[in-house]
Amino acid sequence: NAGVTQTPKFQVLKTGQSMTLQCAQDMNHEYMSWYRQDPGMGLRLIHYSVGAGITDQGEVPNGYNVSRSTTEDFPLRLLSAAPSQTSVYFCASSYSRAGTTSYEQYFGPGTRLTVT
Amino acid sequence: AQSVSQHNHHVILSEAASLELGCNYSYGGTVNLFWYVQYPGQHLQLLLKYFSGDPLVKGIKGFEAEFIKSKFSFNLRKPSVQWSDTAEYFCAVLAYGNNRLAFGKGNQVVVIP
Repeated sequence: NAGVTQTPKFQVLKTGQSMTLQCAQDMNHEYMSWYRQDPGMGLRLIHYSVGAGITDQGEVPNGYNVSRSTTEDFPLRLLSAAPSQTSVYFCASSYSRAGTTSYEQYFGPGTRLTVT
Repeated sequence: AQSVSQHNHHVILSEAASLELGCNYSYGGTVNLFWYVQYPGQHLQLLLKYFSGDPLVKGIKGFEAEFIKSKFSFNLRKPSVQWSDTAEYFCAVLAYGNNRLAFGKGNQVVVIP
């Protein structure tokens, strides 16, 4: 199993540009999530999904969109990038039961995004 | 919503010293507790977890953590650290039935050879 994969590893955007961060997992996990990691802030949840077609907001959802058309993929979209979105983004997945996750999350390698 | 506190964000130790990192959470119900480690330039890896049962949990690389329900704490310990333990350590809490894993701000640990 490849586990959780993310592309790209690095990205530089100009303010106002849009892009999609890709995340895929091959473990048949129902639960997937996106976090951003900033120095001294830990990891903050952006959006999550408990299954295909179901998404919900996390702690810091503004400026980001997600969709979940398949179990495997959970892309994160930045519609109009801002310097405040400069961060390292991690995707994670876990097993789920009855629509909730009570299991450990497996993290991808991260995408380092810089917005100038 | 649950929240997590980690203190002493920067810790510097010599090899063979003992390490203890504090983690306190705020939530009155059943919780699942985790410690993750992030080595320099790498992604997060699970160090150990507590779901139920024995409150003293042993993880990888000689780490252990103790869940004290009355203190809402889940402190991480290692009796003798090595240079390779240099990393950032994150405590995380998941309220049972919730879908949002809450992380603390992390402890940056540097072990000096």
